[in-house]
Amino acid sequence: GAVVSQHPSRVICKSGTSVKIECRSLDFQATTMFWYRQFPKQSLMLMATSNEGSKATYEQGVEKDKFLINHASLTLSTLTVTSAHPEDSSFYICSAGRGDYNEQFFGPGTRLTVL
Amino acid sequence: GQNIDQPTEMTATEGAIVQINCTYQTSGFNGLFWYQQHAGEAPTFLSYNVLDGLEEKGRFSSFLSRSKGYSYLLLKELQMKDSASYLCAGMDSNYQLIWGAGTKLIIKP
Repeated sequence: GAVVSQHPSRVICKSGTSVKIECRSLDFQATTMFWYRQFPKQSLMLMATSNEGSKATYEQGVEKDKFLINHASLTLSTLTVTSAHPEDSSFYICSAGRGDYNEQFFGPGTRLTVL
Repeated sequence: GQNIDQPTEMTATEGAIVQINCTYQTSGFNGLFWYQQHAGEAPTFLSYNVLDGLEEKGRFSSFLSRSKGYSYLLLKELQMKDSASYLCAGMDSNYQLIWGAGTKLIIKP
């Protein structure tokens, strides 16, 4: 159990376009979902934490108007990168937590390349 | 501030044992996690320690000393597929994971 899917796995887009990434918990209800970004050879950087039905909490330095997060249900959260630029190219990973917070289950990640 | 320190890279031989160390400083403490991450993939959970001592799970074991702010991941009978980055993460009082930069483990035949 505790499978998290992420879609798409890879996306290439032109500068200025918006990209939506979906994160789904397939066999459990995720009370909290986390969005991370990881640049090559660097650690995971938490972007935001979202709870179902409420606004996401963004980490310092992350623009909430650029990275729109919607957590509409206990099994789905979406991250939309608006007006993407080449510097937004990165590996975006979501994770879902259950009530006990003891473990985060990661999605397979989305490789975003902005040309 | 909060900080996780672990070596950048380690090399070991197939069949051998390797210990990856991690020291942590977090605001409050709700456990220490180890994750494995192969290149281009998302992390996968390996272990969770919240009490002092050694937790053994097959070829992998994880140790925690809360008084020293120290943990290690022990990998036995190394296989080539164990070549990956190993991420240490501490959970603070807000249940937020503070991530280390990861230790790249290179396994040689």
